[in-house]
Amino acid sequence: EVQLVESGGGLIQPGGSLRLSCAASGFTVSSNYMSWVRQAPGKGLEWVSVIYSGGSTYYADSVKGRFTISRDNSKNTLYLQMNSLRAEDTAVYYCARCYDPDDAFDIWGQGTMVTVSS
Amino acid sequence: SYELTQPLSVSVALGQTARITCGGNNIGSKNVHWYQQKPGQAPVLVIYRDSNRPSGIPERFSGSNSGNTATLTISRAQAGDEADYYCQVWDSSTVVFGTGTKVTVL
Repeated sequence: EVQLVESGGGLIQPGGSLRLSCAASGFTVSSNYMSWVRQAPGKGLEWVSVIYSGGSTYYADSVKGRFTISRDNSKNTLYLQMNSLRAEDTAVYYCARCYDPDDAFDIWGQGTMVTVSS
Repeated sequence: SYELTQPLSVSVALGQTARITCGGNNIGSKNVHWYQQKPGQAPVLVIYRDSNRPSGIPERFSGSNSGNTATLTISRAQAGDEADYYCQVWDSSTVVFGTGTKVTVL
């Protein structure tokens, strides 16, 4: 079965760091374009970052310089390292797959909640 | 940066047709994708590349894209179609989501 399972969310203080994981099954992460998308409580979807199959990475301006997307091919897992967290980073974080950088996200994980609060 | 504008809400009578617009500068030159999201759930792809339905999505869902507006049409609306709907495009190696539309079936 093709699926994505996120983990690593939780409550973190402002300024802290957290690493999210997204384990894939049924397909190869490194052969696809993988993204992180977040959704603040009661708000819309906000794209966060993408890693291309070739390894290139891109970020939303709101997280550039603070977040890093990466993958471990041996574990078939996508990561999002989040540093210098702010209250406005509080959201459900989803990982999602697409085949190429003009295509739709056809597979989504169930999401993991990140709460930044003191 | 590129922006996509959707109406905040759309209401439709049971069995009637709902149309959700997604406005963007020359959006007709881009591939537009649409997602349905129900409360507490992850988004689900309902239309890709303007007008294509993934397997398992009812034929009642259709899409079009021209000029500065893309449209998602839900025909013969059912109670189960109540959800938030988002359009999405790629722009210069980044992803842009629309502002989202809440569809209410009366």
